Amino acid sequence: NAGVTQTPKFRILKIGQSMTLQCTQDMNHNYMYWYRQDPGMGLKLIYYSVGAGITDKGEVPNGYNVSRSTTEDFPLRLELAAPSQTSVYFCASSEGGVSNQPQHFGDGTRLSIL
Amino acid sequence: KNQVEQSPQSLIILEGKNCTLQCNYTVSPFSNLRWYKQDTGRGPVSLTIMTFSENTKSNGRYTATLDADTKQSSLHITASQLSDSASYICVVSANNFNKFYFGSGTKLNVKP
Repeated sequence: NAGVTQTPKFRILKIGQSMTLQCTQDMNHNYMYWYRQDPGMGLKLIYYSVGAGITDKGEVPNGYNVSRSTTEDFPLRLELAAPSQTSVYFCASSEGGVSNQPQHFGDGTRLSIL
Repeated sequence: KNQVEQSPQSLIILEGKNCTLQCNYTVSPFSNLRWYKQDTGRGPVSLTIMTFSENTKSNGRYTATLDADTKQSSLHITASQLSDSASYICVVSANNFNKFYFGSGTKLNVKP
């Protein structure tokens, strides 16, 4: 049972570099989410998608972009990395939105911007 | 302002003891309340989900309660084990589309 798979697990970037965080789910879920988790803080929503071809901004979208060309994949793009983007990034998927279905999370990508 | 507050921030207990974690929220309109367990270096894993009409729900040694009138929830862990050492996150969802409000978590350390 793969569930939600995130790659890479760790990455160090230099300021101004770009990268794509990959997220794949094999549960045929329509809803997918990207969160960031900073130390001592609750998860904050960056972007979400309710199906292939449909994405929308969350609470902290600045500096990030997403695309959803298939049900399975939901990559997160960082352009011009900044130290403030140092964080742990989690991808999640669910059958429904705020319905009574759990979100399934990947194990995260730990990103440091130096 | 929609908020989720958890207490305590951290807790140390001895193996075999019980403990209770608290979650207070001001989210409206309320849809459901979730408890997640997050092991170090891993993503959160769902423990329970409770709707407005449910006031208790169990998952093994984990029992969650919900008082929708006072907007409080608790997670009770019975006969703690070393593997219970983790962060426990309370999440409240609102009926606005895709709105989840995350608490900052309670970090539990179970010692032998």
